[in-house]
Amino acid sequence: GQNIDQPTEMTATEGAIVQINCTYQTSGFNGLFWYQQHAGEAPTFLSYNVLDGLEEKGRFSSFLSRSKGYSYLLLKELQMKDSASYLCAVRAPTSGTYKYIFGTGTRLKVLA
Amino acid sequence: EAQVTQNPRYLITVTGKKLTVTCSQNMNHEYMSWYRQDPGLGLRQIYYSMNVEVTDKGDVPEGYKVSRKEKRNFPLILESPSPNQTSLYFCASTEGVSGELFFGEGSRLTVL
Repeated sequence: GQNIDQPTEMTATEGAIVQINCTYQTSGFNGLFWYQQHAGEAPTFLSYNVLDGLEEKGRFSSFLSRSKGYSYLLLKELQMKDSASYLCAVRAPTSGTYKYIFGTGTRLKVLA
Repeated sequence: EAQVTQNPRYLITVTGKKLTVTCSQNMNHEYMSWYRQDPGLGLRQIYYSMNVEVTDKGDVPEGYKVSRKEKRNFPLILESPSPNQTSLYFCASTEGVSGELFFGEGSRLTVL
């Protein structure tokens, strides 16, 4: 089966660092994506990992371990505007193409 | 400006009244897909299309149809909507190489 797990909710303080974990079990793997989604809006792309290791992009970093089926998104110097849901998604091969499987998302609340 | 455009953004309809949600992208992407997003269930793929005239079922295709007659357009058709299709719908596209999905703004559908 295909399964992606991430915590439902997290709370952190402005200026702090928060790590959002994602574990996955999929039949095939072709990349892991993180998206940010503010309430009522469309998801927007944050990061992409296909090889093991850390990808850094400004205040955001994403890590992947394919052997462990594990990824995390690290947000540094949290700002109030970072309050949003963070979606972990795996792209997996299927029938000559690929599909995207999403986790249910982690709702992050940043407190002043 | 690169974008995915969905219409309508909001719709209230009644059971059994056929409706179409349009989706158009201006990035010449080959891959397009439809998702529904429900509380606690995350984004679930309804249908996807690798190219013109090539479509396939996602995880929750029951009650939906799609067509891909032109590369830029990928409409979602609800032949006989039912209340369990009340949801937030997103269309997305990608060029495939990097895999980043570009999402439309979403269509909130209520079926009474």
